[in-house]
Amino acid sequence: GAVVSQHPSWVICKSGTSVKIECRSLDFQATTMFWYRQFPKQSLMLMATSNEGSKATYEQGVEKDKFLINHASLTLSTLTVTSAHPEDSSFYICSAQTEPYEQYFGPGTRLTVT
Amino acid sequence: AQRVTQPEKLLSVFKGAPVELKCNYSYSGSPELFWYVQYSRQRLQLLLRHISRESIKGFTADLNKGETSFHLKKPFAQEEDSAMYYCALSKAAGNKLTFGGGTRVLVKP
Repeated sequence: GAVVSQHPSWVICKSGTSVKIECRSLDFQATTMFWYRQFPKQSLMLMATSNEGSKATYEQGVEKDKFLINHASLTLSTLTVTSAHPEDSSFYICSAQTEPYEQYFGPGTRLTVT
Repeated sequence: AQRVTQPEKLLSVFKGAPVELKCNYSYSGSPELFWYVQYSRQRLQLLLRHISRESIKGFTADLNKGETSFHLKKPFAQEEDSAMYYCALSKAAGNKLTFGGGTRVLVKP
């Protein structure tokens, strides 16, 4: 089956620094990947849609200059949290979309900003 | 904008009892509806989608456009069904998903 990986699985960073999270589709190509954020005991909130070779589409209220998304290849999308603050601490989950249109989810990345 | 509501945060049932997870949506068009499941320490995975009309792991879900609902049912719950369940909506094939708040199911022995 289709497998999506995320790296790292857990990261701790200091306030003001930037951290990059990778999302890879291991055995299929994904023209579209999605980035979600999940707070403890809450549901997934879509942050942005990442399309290979074009700019990401951000959901309302998501700062595109803070959450930089790059989808440079058909198997890799990255999310960079810039100038991280403690309120950015969360669980970040990506998904990759196959044809025909099924999303496969990564295991998530737990970000802790101190 | 579309919205998905799962009114129950927690459902606790005994093994062998029926279980029904409610999902209501608001969207003016013809959406695609999904149920996703997340077992403990595992990633989110698709359980079923309304267009396939399948029964997966004994679960079924029927789209009721009149009531804008997509409830998930299983006649005899098993302990391995204990998990977090999310209902999700997509405006069209390939579009982004909007998730409900999730329902935690606990099946007691």
